[in-house]
Amino acid sequence: AQSVSQHNHHVILSEAASLELGCNYSYGGTVNLFWYVQYPGQHLQLLLKYFSGDPLVKGIKGFEAEFIKSKFSFNLRKPSVQWSDTAEYFCAVNARAFGTDKLIFGTGTRLQVFP
Amino acid sequence: GAVVSQHPSWVICKSGTSVKIECRSLDFQATTMFWYRQFPKQSLMLMATSNEGSKATYEQGVEKDKFLINHASLTLSTLTVTSAHPEDSSFYICSAALWGTYEQYFGPGTRLTVT
Repeated sequence: AQSVSQHNHHVILSEAASLELGCNYSYGGTVNLFWYVQYPGQHLQLLLKYFSGDPLVKGIKGFEAEFIKSKFSFNLRKPSVQWSDTAEYFCAVNARAFGTDKLIFGTGTRLQVFP
Repeated sequence: GAVVSQHPSWVICKSGTSVKIECRSLDFQATTMFWYRQFPKQSLMLMATSNEGSKATYEQGVEKDKFLINHASLTLSTLTVTSAHPEDSSFYICSAALWGTYEQYFGPGTRLTVT
């Protein structure tokens, strides 16, 4: 069965610090990869996605993620965080071989950014 | 574009009663809708996948007779929590997807409290 691991459960940073959130998945076939963000009191929003092509994908709000197939990883990065980045971040994976749009979510990482 | 709404945003009901939650795709036709449950400070747990005009597919451990899902049109899916109990209190989130796009758009969620 597919699973998604997010090793950082809670990250605390000061503004302007760099961010990297880990995401690993367990499926050997072709996958689609997503990062979603949930700001306090708001619904999930798509930050970025990877389907194919350039493994370095850029998303909204200065976020980017790199797909490393050999490591089954899709880590999220941002060079300089802002207070407004405080939110919950979820990595999600869809395995195309299952012929379904079903997403498997990681447990989430809570990011707190202090001014 | 790609807006998904849920109604109600929050509901309080007494134990033993049933509650219906609506999920609508406002500006696109969703061939597939998904229902998730999110516990406080935890990830999203997929409950079921519903395709328009067919029976929902429930995830293992989800009682289909308790969580009734109807997907009568390409823009509306409903989740009915029957004979609700306090342990059903949770945040229920729906998402909608276009067939074959592997990308889901999330609703704002419905907070259910069973007293």
